[in-house]
Amino acid sequence: DQQVKQNSPSLSVQEGRISILNCDYTNSMFDYFLWYKKYPAEGPTFLISISSIKDKNEDGRFTVFLNKSAKHLSLHIVPSQPGDSAVYFCAASSNSGYSTLTFGKGTMLLVSP
Amino acid sequence: EAEVAQSPRYKITEKSQAVAFWCDPISGHATLYWYRQILGQGPELLVQFQDESVVDDSQLPKDRFSAERLKGVDSTLKIQPAELGDSAMYLCASRLAGSYLGNEQFFGPGTRLTVL
Repeated sequence: DQQVKQNSPSLSVQEGRISILNCDYTNSMFDYFLWYKKYPAEGPTFLISISSIKDKNEDGRFTVFLNKSAKHLSLHIVPSQPGDSAVYFCAASSNSGYSTLTFGKGTMLLVSP
Repeated sequence: EAEVAQSPRYKITEKSQAVAFWCDPISGHATLYWYRQILGQGPELLVQFQDESVVDDSQLPKDRFSAERLKGVDSTLKIQPAELGDSAMYLCASRLAGSYLGNEQFFGPGTRLTVL
């Protein structure tokens, strides 16, 4: 049973427009959420995170929104740039066990000029 | 900028052979993780170390996989014997000890394993 779901395998956006990547989770114990970006043949790199005590966190062009009641979070990239083209992974953690990360399957974002 | 180092970057082997991957975490990072990422999937945790101790290896196929971090610094992941289904990217990550809040994991570039 997948605890973190990214239901869109891919997303295509034009340069300058907004990219919205979605993520749903099922485990109510999750209280810390992260987005990682991955280029081919490289490891994931941390992008932005949000704690469950917040509903929004912003860092430059990247904003993450958390809706706890819906168990849903989204990553907004504004404006999108061709260099943003990558696979984006949503990940979640909790205070239980060893606080490991549970990842979604990823969404491939393609930003075209 | 400090980085997690992994080697080799690519490994091709035949089934039933033994393979080993090496990881050197960021200096001072007490917590080290090995993940496996199959194409089209997210990374899945294989084993987690705190210093030299394994704290979670519940998802490690222990009949063929082993991991060690003898001095609490670098780590080795071994597969013996390799099977076709082991073809994947093997990722190492590390983070500082302490709370997971605001304490993200840093990933290495990975080792792409192909088993023929």
